[in-house]
Formats: sequence, C-alpha cells, structure tokens
Amino acid sequence: AQKVTQAQTEISVVEKEDVTLDCVYETRDTTYYLFWYKQPPSGELVFLIRRNSFDEQNEISGRYSWNFQKSTSSFNFTITASQVVDSAVYFCALTQGGSEKLVFGKGTKLTVNP
Amino acid sequence: GAGVSQTPSNKVTEKGKYVELRCDPISGHTALYWYRQSLGQGPEFLIYFQGTGAADDSGLPNDRFFAVRPEGSVSTLKIQRTERGDSAVYLCASSLMAGSSPLHFGNGTRLTVT
Repeated sequence: AQKVTQAQTEISVVEKEDVTLDCVYETRDTTYYLFWYKQPPSGELVFLIRRNSFDEQNEISGRYSWNFQKSTSSFNFTITASQVVDSAVYFCALTQGGSEKLVFGKGTKLTVNP
Repeated sequence: GAGVSQTPSNKVTEKGKYVELRCDPISGHTALYWYRQSLGQGPEFLIYFQGTGAADDSGLPNDRFFAVRPEGSVSTLKIQRTERGDSAVYLCASSLMAGSSPLHFGNGTRLTVT
C-alpha cells in the first residue's frame, strides 16, 4: 500500500524566515512519482513539482527547493525567505508508475506572518 | 474558459436526495479526474477518465457514486441517496493526457448534506 505522511500539521513563521515542510512516503514500487501541490485559501490546488523515483537530484526553482532522499523515503520542500503570499496548505503526493491515482498526505498549513 | 470549471460551487441537499456535480475540463485535455477532500484532509482519488471511458474507478466509495463523461469533455459526478458522510469538497482535475503532468484542478464543489 502507498502512504504519504506529513507530520507537521501547522507551521507559523515570520516573513523572510526559511521554512521546510517534511514529507515521508511509503511504497513497494520501484517506479513512482512524488509531487507537491499548494492549496491557497481560494481552494484550487496548484501543481509545484513532480519528481520520479530515478531522479534524486535536488531541484531549485526561485525561492523553492526540494530535497529527495530515497534512503530515508523523504521528499522535503523548503521555502527560502518566505513571504505572506506563501501562506497556504501544502500537500505532498505519491503515485506509482503506470497509475494515475495520486495518494495525498494530510497537508501542512503554512502561515507566514508579516 | 482558461481553467477547469466546476459547477455549482456550493450545493446543499437533504439526506436521501440525488445530486449531480459538473466538471468542465480545460479544452483539449483528454484525462479527467475526480477527487474528494474532507475537512482537514488531503484529496482522495475517486475516478479517472481517459477520453470517454472510466480507466480507473477504484476510488468510488460505493455504488451510490457514479460518474460519466459521454463526449470525452464535460463530466458529471452523480451521487444517489446522499448521506451526511458524503459532505466534502469534490475536486475535478484535467491533464493533457494520462501520464502527463501537471494536473490542473478546479476550485471544487462544496457539498453539504443536511
């Protein structure tokens, strides 16, 4: 069975702080994909990144970076110099190769205070 | 429209009634997905269409739930004999084709069963 655990339910930071959102996953498949989505108060889920299980390179996109560690089954997300607009619920998700079924974690609610 | 459109945005119904939720995907997107999100939880997969056919309906909770996509574009999620436990936000997403990301999500339909 596949499972995604986001242990941090809520995080509150002050603007310009760096923040890391944790994601730990479980799967028996050797081919799988990991995702991060952002859900602002408007409710629409916004895709941030997809990573396949064979690519462990870390990725940076502006203030966002992702650390994929197969050895610890983790796919953590860091926001550098956080901004108020980063306030949202962030979901980590997993799908096995060949499946379209995304398994989501419960999400981490991030609040960035001015 | 430019994005995935879901109607209605809110639906309140009485226990035992029948409801239909509509999803209009991004034009040209062949894959369409339905997810359900309960309060404080991540989205849960319900069903996915590739074209007109349901390629994976393993997430439908029981036979009260049914979805169609007769012309390979608009999809309708149908719930019979609604129960209070069906109350949730129903999210629709589309992608250019299965296996390609990202999934583009709509704002969802908030269903409340009283």
